[in-house]
Amino acid sequence: LAKTTQPISMDSYEGQEVNITCSHNNIATNDYITWYQQFPSQGPRFIIQGYKTKVTNEVASLFIPADRKSSTLSLPRVSLSDTAVYYCLVGGKGGSQGNLIFGKGTKLSVKP
Amino acid sequence: ETGVTQSPTHLIKTRGQQVTLRCSSQSGHNTVSWYQQALGQGPQFIFQYYREEENGRGNFPPRFSGLQFPNYSSELNVNALELDDSALYLCASSLEGSGRNTEAFFGQGTRLTVV
Repeated sequence: LAKTTQPISMDSYEGQEVNITCSHNNIATNDYITWYQQFPSQGPRFIIQGYKTKVTNEVASLFIPADRKSSTLSLPRVSLSDTAVYYCLVGGKGGSQGNLIFGKGTKLSVKP
Repeated sequence: ETGVTQSPTHLIKTRGQQVTLRCSSQSGHNTVSWYQQALGQGPQFIFQYYREEENGRGNFPPRFSGLQFPNYSSELNVNALELDDSALYLCASSLEGSGRNTEAFFGQGTRLTVV
């Protein structure tokens, strides 16, 4: 499974757009890119998943360049409640996610 | 709410003891994975059960074992507890083998403290 690299922490203010970039240079052809959010003392929560180009859902967008060696999670207009740790993962057999390899994640702090 | 429930929520055990943690998977899911999360770290994969069989294991010793039942609920057993086993234990359920993307739904976790 491909290793990922993402910033340890990021700071933002309410109402701003936040972009968290993840590097995954050794991503395999069958790998998907998935982002999870985790609040303290809770289990991670699925945010978004993609394979290439751009994916958007009600909470975030995921941008994946053509070479797929990186990806960017975009959170529009963050609020204080978006303060959490965000994990970038690659892998999954055909997109399944039973065996996930988590890194240390990016700790996002949103300030008023 | 993810539909994945874990019990107990908190547990204190003494070094050398054995512990069993339980997980009820989300309805319709056939796969359960267990993770250990130490403070300040990302979750680490322990093992996965698919249709009652172990289907992958991380770098954990044999004293970490598990079961999956016909209703797809699961147990994680840890023998000979060590102080370093203190962590948040997470269970995740997913649907595998369907040929489509499935996301993993995590429970709230069990906070195990070994003293």
